[in-house]
Amino acid sequence: DVKVTQSSRYLVKRTGEKVFLECVQDMDHENMFWYRQDPGLGLRLIYFSYDVKMKEKGDIPEGYSVSREKKERFSLILESASTNQTSMYLCASSLSTGRLIYEQYFGPGTRLTVT
Amino acid sequence: AQTVTQSQPEMSVQEAETVTLSCTYDTSENNYYLFWYKQPPSRQMILVIRQEAYKQQNATENRFSVNFQKAAKSFSLKISDSQLGDTAMYFCAFSGANSKLTFGKGITLSVRP
Repeated sequence: DVKVTQSSRYLVKRTGEKVFLECVQDMDHENMFWYRQDPGLGLRLIYFSYDVKMKEKGDIPEGYSVSREKKERFSLILESASTNQTSMYLCASSLSTGRLIYEQYFGPGTRLTVT
Repeated sequence: AQTVTQSQPEMSVQEAETVTLSCTYDTSENNYYLFWYKQPPSRQMILVIRQEAYKQQNATENRFSVNFQKAAKSFSLKISDSQLGDTAMYFCAFSGANSKLTFGKGITLSVRP
């Protein structure tokens, strides 16, 4: 079974702090994704990566950055956390068939609260 | 850009009955995938079913089946013999040539005992 793990299930940070969310997958998938999930808004893509050291902006990249130094690990960084970044953060990984993304496998999520 | 629309925010069904969740999408592409994902309360998102656009036959997985209407750009999920464990949020998703998944806003399904 594909396993995607996230470093924390719950996280509480203060405004202005630098926050790191880590995601690790164990199936040698080339693609990895970070989403945030908010009630009524569904899943919104923050960043994704289709290879080591490669990254592309998603739909809402402002206030976030990412790092992918190893194939299995994809980190989301909040440079200076703000209260409007309080959300559920989901990591996912997948294979591709050409340019099409095959199904994504999700981690359990990190519920981040910024106070 | 692709869009995925789930127009019903909530639905409720009696245990053992059948329920259909609707999804429409907009794309100019001919080759793509469509997915339904399930997110139980406080639990991990998992794949329910996948449909390849080039396949005319509707996908089925046990009690879950889809009605894929490519010309109408419609992709509904039918859950037969609903069980309490089907209570969850369900997301419809589209995968196309932009190498991303586009998700609908989701529908909350409640199965009543």
